[in-house]
Amino acid sequence: EAEVAQSPRYKITEKSQAVAFWCDPISGHATLYWYRQILGQGPELLVQFQDESVVDDSQLPKDRFSAERLKGVDSTLKIQPAELGDSAMYLCASSLGGWSEQYFGPGTRLTVT
Amino acid sequence: GQQLNQSPQSMFIQEGEDVSMNCTSSSIFNTWLWYKQDPGEGPVLLIALYKAGELTSNGRLTAQFGITRKDSFLNISASIPSDVGIYFCAGPLRTGNQFYFGTGTSLTVIP
Repeated sequence: EAEVAQSPRYKITEKSQAVAFWCDPISGHATLYWYRQILGQGPELLVQFQDESVVDDSQLPKDRFSAERLKGVDSTLKIQPAELGDSAMYLCASSLGGWSEQYFGPGTRLTVT
Repeated sequence: GQQLNQSPQSMFIQEGEDVSMNCTSSSIFNTWLWYKQDPGEGPVLLIALYKAGELTSNGRLTAQFGITRKDSFLNISASIPSDVGIYFCAGPLRTGNQFYFGTGTSLTVIP
């Protein structure tokens, strides 16, 4: 069964350091999403890609966060510099298109110390 | 901020009991998706609803898209221990490119 892959699963970093997360969506899924989930809350959409283009990044803190999907397949989310408040689960999801059913990866648990 | 409110926030039930939870919003949604999340894992899609009034089942799970398009409910029949987790509703607003997750309902099943 096709799955969304994410790495690393866990990341501990010191504040002010740079950190990057990688996501490989289900093959054929044109739309890719990055979410941030704070413990005890629902996921919050950070950025949405349609192929290699950003569709929505209105909730992405652009002073420190960046995301790219250069070839329209896998994607990288970067934080530089990391802050204590960035500690959260970062989830990647993909779908065939638009707002259709999204399938999630296992997430990357980030701890900033 | 959050557009979807889920209730109850948490539930503690005996194995074998039926469960009902709902999701409401002040805004109209085009689609309702129900997800289950286990600790430390990503959400898993349970049911997708696309039309007002639609009633859809997936095994012991049944979900309905409210007529007003502002609510949805999820029922679980004959609960079992592996139903434990956090259940989220989610969906896109009708008005534009905004997708939201609900506040979540935490389910504990007591054997």
